[in-house]
Amino acid sequence: DGGITQSPKYLFRKEGQNVTLSCEQNLNHDAMYWYRQDPGQGLRLIYYSQIVNDFQKGDIAEGYSVSREKKESFPLTVTSAQKNPTAFYLCASSPGGLDNYGYTFGSGTRLTVV
Amino acid sequence: AQSVTQLDSHVSVSEGTPVLLRCNYSSSYSPSLFWYVQHPNKGLQLLLKYTSAATLVKGINGFEAEFKKSETSFHLTKPSAHMSDAAEYFCVVSYGNKLVFGAGTILRVKS
Repeated sequence: DGGITQSPKYLFRKEGQNVTLSCEQNLNHDAMYWYRQDPGQGLRLIYYSQIVNDFQKGDIAEGYSVSREKKESFPLTVTSAQKNPTAFYLCASSPGGLDNYGYTFGSGTRLTVV
Repeated sequence: AQSVTQLDSHVSVSEGTPVLLRCNYSSSYSPSLFWYVQHPNKGLQLLLKYTSAATLVKGINGFEAEFKKSETSFHLTKPSAHMSDAAEYFCVVSYGNKLVFGAGTILRVKS
C-alpha cells in the first residue's frame, strides 16, 4: 500500500543535541511538508519542498533544517537552536501542481526533550 | 492574511445526536477547503474536501459539510454521533499548494 512512513514514533533528546526525524513516501508525490503540532494551535508549517533538491521555509523554520536529495525522502533535523522542540511532528505529501486535492499525512513523531 | 477560525475548541454531544463543528475562513478568492480528523497520537485523515464543485460535500463516516461563500463558512455536520467519532477535527484552507490549519475542535461523544 502507498503511504507515508515517519520514524521513530517516539523520540527523546537531551538538551543541546541535534536529532533527525525521518519521513519516507512511496506515493510518487512531488511535494513534501513538515508540520509542528502543539496543543490548541493546530498545525504550523516548518519547511516544504515542491521538487527534489529544492525546499522553502515555512512559518516557523528557525531552529530546523531539511534536505530533499531524493523524491521519496524529506528528513527534518531539529537543531540545538530550536528553543522549544518538544512537540508532535507531522510529515505530509501531495502531488503538487496548481490543484490541491489534499495531503496525505504520516502518523507522526512525538519528540520530547529531557 | 489568510486565516481559518474554528469557533469551538471543544464540542460535547451524546451518542446518537447531531454533530456540528463550525469553521469560518478568510480569503480574497474561492479557496479549496478540507476537514481532517486526528485520533490521539495519530496522523491526520482526510474526511472531505470542497474544490468548487457542489457546495454540499459528502465525506467518509457519514460526515458532510456545506460551503457558504456569502458567510465564508464551511461547517462540518453529522446526523448521528458515534462513540468512534471522538477525536480532534481540523478545518483547513488551501492557498495554492499551502495549507492553513484551524486550531482544531476536540469532539467528545458521551454514551
